[in-house]
Amino acid sequence: EPEVTQTPSHQVTQMGQEVILRCVPISNHLYFYWYRQILGQKVEFLVSFYNNEISEKSEIFDDQFSVERPDGSNFTLKIRSTKLEDSAMYFCASNPTSGSGDTQYFGPGTRLTVL
Amino acid sequence: GDSVTQMEGPVTLSEEAFLTINCTYTATGYPSLFWYVQYPGEGLQLLLKATKADDKGSNKGFEATYRKETTSFHLEKGSVQVSDSAVYFCALTPYSSASKIIFGSGTRLSIRP
Repeated sequence: EPEVTQTPSHQVTQMGQEVILRCVPISNHLYFYWYRQILGQKVEFLVSFYNNEISEKSEIFDDQFSVERPDGSNFTLKIRSTKLEDSAMYFCASNPTSGSGDTQYFGPGTRLTVL
Repeated sequence: GDSVTQMEGPVTLSEEAFLTINCTYTATGYPSLFWYVQYPGEGLQLLLKATKADDKGSNKGFEATYRKETTSFHLEKGSVQVSDSAVYFCALTPYSSASKIIFGSGTRLSIRP
């Protein structure tokens, strides 16, 4: 069964450094998402992406964040200058359509640790 | 704004016990409702969903009914197993914005043999 994959599984970085988290969505999917889960807290929506542009973003997704689909298969989340509070699990998700009841398929996540 | 509230955990039960995890929501219009499960060390998996009032979602012995009148979507299972130990998230997608999922805080479930 096709699945969403994410790399790396764990990323450790120093405060102020740039990080790029990578995701490969399911191949025929058109809608892509990033979520994050700070340890012990709820999963929070960051951004949705369709047709090479951002569809919606949350207030968390400020100028330090950007997303890109560079090559038709990868979907990346870049954090320009990481802060301690960016430490979290980051989940990528995708789905083929974007109706209200449509299932989003999640990857296993990347744990980001900012020191 | 739209939100989801679910019962605090952790919940610890013995094998074969009956499970209920309460979930209520606040939303305008008619959201779609979901339960996701996160097994240890893994990502989020859809457990079940319901897209309109009075729909019942079911999977792997779990059930939840979309109750518009009480704005609830409680998760139930008649006889839990050790393998059901996981974190369970109640969630919704707003009717007005299908592009995001709003999650509850999660309930950690541990099943004793």
